[in-house]
Amino acid sequence: RKEVEQDPGPFNVPEGATVAFNCTYSNSASQSFFWYRQDCRKEPKLLMSVYSSGNEDGRFTAQLNRASQYISLLIRDSKLSDSATYLCVVNIFGNQFYFGTGTSLTVIP
Amino acid sequence: SAVISQKPSRDICQRGTSLTIQCQVDSQVTMMFWYRQQPGQSLTLIATANQGSEATYESGFVIDKFPISRPNLTFSTLTVSNMSPEDSSIYLCSVSAMGEKLFFGSGTQLSVL
Repeated sequence: RKEVEQDPGPFNVPEGATVAFNCTYSNSASQSFFWYRQDCRKEPKLLMSVYSSGNEDGRFTAQLNRASQYISLLIRDSKLSDSATYLCVVNIFGNQFYFGTGTSLTVIP
Repeated sequence: SAVISQKPSRDICQRGTSLTIQCQVDSQVTMMFWYRQQPGQSLTLIATANQGSEATYESGFVIDKFPISRPNLTFSTLTVSNMSPEDSSIYLCSVSAMGEKLFFGSGTQLSVL
């Protein structure tokens, strides 16, 4: 069983739409959670950390559900520039980071 | 955040040769990692580069194939040895800030003919 499971998509949504990605993790001892964005042929870049209380950064909202062991990312009012692959990343402890396979998003004009 | 300079950004190599990738960080960091990302796949950890001691390799990766140096807290190299077409991939160095967030170099796109 993979440590982190993520729907690979692709998600094709019109501009202005709201889209949500989910990610599940298997290790209940996981401590830190993140969403990264990766553009084609580029390195992953931190989009936001995910906290138990949920957190928001502009059009992006991240949620963590420890009981069900999943995290989510909600993007409101999608822009063309949001087109990318979104990676769910879980840190067990110390240097143990686990990556989801990534969810591909294309925002269509 | 940490600023990471990785080079080369890309290379095309012949089978049987070796390539050394360099990663320079603008601050001292405890943890440095080397990842591989094959086309259409997520990231796979190759090894953790430890300062002053041998790197810690993940299952499926060995020191003879991927020797790593970490002479100080700001620099590391990864060598891909005796390359074959199966080694064609993107190689990424990364550092962990406070054992939490990961920051990545810009990656090395390697093609082996």
